[in-house]
Amino acid sequence: AQSVTQLDSQVPVFEEAPVELRCNYSSSVSVYLFWYVQYPNQGLQLLLKYLSGSTLVKGINGFEAEFNKSQTSFHLRKPSVHISDTAEYFCAVERGCSNYKLTFGKGTLLTVNP
Amino acid sequence: EADIYQTPRYLVIGTGKKITLECSQTMGHDKMYWYQQDPGMELHLIHYSYGVNSTEKGDLSSESTVSRIRTEHFPLTLESARPSHTSQYLCASSVAGVGEQYFGPGTRLTVT
Repeated sequence: AQSVTQLDSQVPVFEEAPVELRCNYSSSVSVYLFWYVQYPNQGLQLLLKYLSGSTLVKGINGFEAEFNKSQTSFHLRKPSVHISDTAEYFCAVERGCSNYKLTFGKGTLLTVNP
Repeated sequence: EADIYQTPRYLVIGTGKKITLECSQTMGHDKMYWYQQDPGMELHLIHYSYGVNSTEKGDLSSESTVSRIRTEHFPLTLESARPSHTSQYLCASSVAGVGEQYFGPGTRLTVT
């Protein structure tokens, strides 16, 4: 079985500060990795994904993430956050043999304060 | 741009009522999914479908049922709602092959 651990349930930061949201996964097979963002009262929107190739992945809204196979991590980063980045962020994993099913972490609430 | 719709957005209903949550997508995606989401918790897959007349139960046991008669439509039904069914329900779809899922805005269900 696979699991996804988001190490921080809440991350408060000030505007224009850098942020890192941590995600670790457990899987004995190859995986595909995703970060989604959920704004209040909305569905999830894809930020970025890692399928193969370069381990540094760039997404929308200035976010990027780095796949680290040895540490089984896929941490999300942004060098300078805005108030509008306040949202819930979910890390998700799809195993290569899982028939397109995603396993989600519990989410990290990012709160950007002025 | 992804177009996936869910209705109603909010529903408050009494115990014992039958309800159907609607989900439609206009992208022609073969795969569709239903997730249950509680505050502070991960999304749990409760149903999925790989195409018309194909439905499977997800990782989380659910008393709900689904149908897939048309590619674009994937409704979820609860025959007799209970307070334990209070949750947010998210519908998603995806194309064939590995890739992201596109999510609808969700239905927040409250059973009193």
